[in-house]
Amino acid sequence: GIQVEQSPPDLILQEGANSTLRCNFSDSVNNLQWFHQNPWGQLINLFYIPSGTKQNGRLSATTVATERYSLLYISSSQTTDSGVYFCAVDPLFDRGSTLGRLYFGRGTQLTVWP
Amino acid sequence: EAQVTQNPRYLITVTGKKLTVTCSQNMNHEYMSWYRQDPGLGLRQIYYSMNVEVTDKGDVPEGYKVSRKEKRNFPLILESPSPNQTSLYFCATWTGSLNTEAFFGQGTRLTVV
Repeated sequence: GIQVEQSPPDLILQEGANSTLRCNFSDSVNNLQWFHQNPWGQLINLFYIPSGTKQNGRLSATTVATERYSLLYISSSQTTDSGVYFCAVDPLFDRGSTLGRLYFGRGTQLTVWP
Repeated sequence: EAQVTQNPRYLITVTGKKLTVTCSQNMNHEYMSWYRQDPGLGLRQIYYSMNVEVTDKGDVPEGYKVSRKEKRNFPLILESPSPNQTSLYFCATWTGSLNTEAFFGQGTRLTVV
């Protein structure tokens, strides 16, 4: 099956710092999503980004599908950004079909200190 | 408002006592699925359904059952829960069309003692 690798596994920042999280995947994908899991366990959908670049406030994401990686940028970190960030992909099969199954990376644990 | 609703949100139960976690969506999505999340492992798919009466195993189906009798509901059934099924569970839905995103429920934290 498709491999999804996230780096770094852990990241500790001081408030105000910028960071870049990376997601590498091993096959072509129909879907790539970034999630933030808050301390209560809830999954927050940050971006749906199978290709291209999107921005939402202090967060932005870029996916280079041809090179099979995606980056999540967090600027001016805040303590509320703490939590686990997951990348998830839905692989494309031959003839462009998909089963709609998301494969998750193991996440990046982000801790932002005041 | 588009919603994926799971119940209960928290559950503590004893080994062997059958339980059902419900999932309901109001988006008329074809696809629904269940994931479990364990520390350090990310989320792994348990079962998925491509339409009513069509279900299939994901990566970790042992000890679980599902049914899809109507499009909006996709319950997860644990016939005889065991402590290794203690986990955080998520239900997800998807339209079934390419280039669309998946939506997740709020999660159900299950503890089996």
